[in-house]
Amino acid sequence: GNSVTQMEGPVTLSEEAFLTINCTYTATGYPSLFWYVQYPGEGLQLLLKATKADDKGSNKGFEATYRKETTSFHLEKGSVQVSDSAVYFCALRSLGNTGKLIFGQGTTLQVKP
Amino acid sequence: ETGVTQSPTHLIKTRGQQVTLRCSSQSGHNTVSWYQQALGQGPQFIFQYYREEENGRGNFPPRFSGLQFPNYSSELNVNALELDDSALYLCASSFNRGHEQYFGPGTRLTVT
Repeated sequence: GNSVTQMEGPVTLSEEAFLTINCTYTATGYPSLFWYVQYPGEGLQLLLKATKADDKGSNKGFEATYRKETTSFHLEKGSVQVSDSAVYFCALRSLGNTGKLIFGQGTTLQVKP
Repeated sequence: ETGVTQSPTHLIKTRGQQVTLRCSSQSGHNTVSWYQQALGQGPQFIFQYYREEENGRGNFPPRFSGLQFPNYSSELNVNALELDDSALYLCASSFNRGHEQYFGPGTRLTVT
């Protein structure tokens, strides 16, 4: 079945450091891929998405590229800020008619000043 | 345009009780999906409602049930609450099945 695996957290970085959060997936076909962010006490916000192989999603300085050959969708940011501290979820949208989202377990990012 | 709203924000129930959670979908959206997010985990798909009919279900027992109303708002009902039902319950609406989902802020349920 479909699944998403993320790197274990927490990830602790200093402000302005480079961020990578690894995400790999297992799926039938070529599903759309997403990164969601969850701030403390809040719901999920869509951060970026990619709908086909080699697409690059980007938003607020974050980027991720849909790599079909490595079944990966790693999240990167060149210079993190304290305000980026949150939990990040990688997800795929299943190809069935529900389009249900399948999430990874989440990676906590803590950015220190 | 109003986004997805959920009520209540927090809820405390006792094991064995029943609970109803509510979700108002975004304007123009006819599909609502419900997810359960246990502490420290990613959200898990419970079920989806499309035009007032259940349109798919995840691996949850029948004591998890739902409804969708003509205005496309939705309810999640959980009977015979268990301690493991303690979680954040997220509702997401979409323009149609298979389209991008927009999440509400969630309802935090604690079962004691």
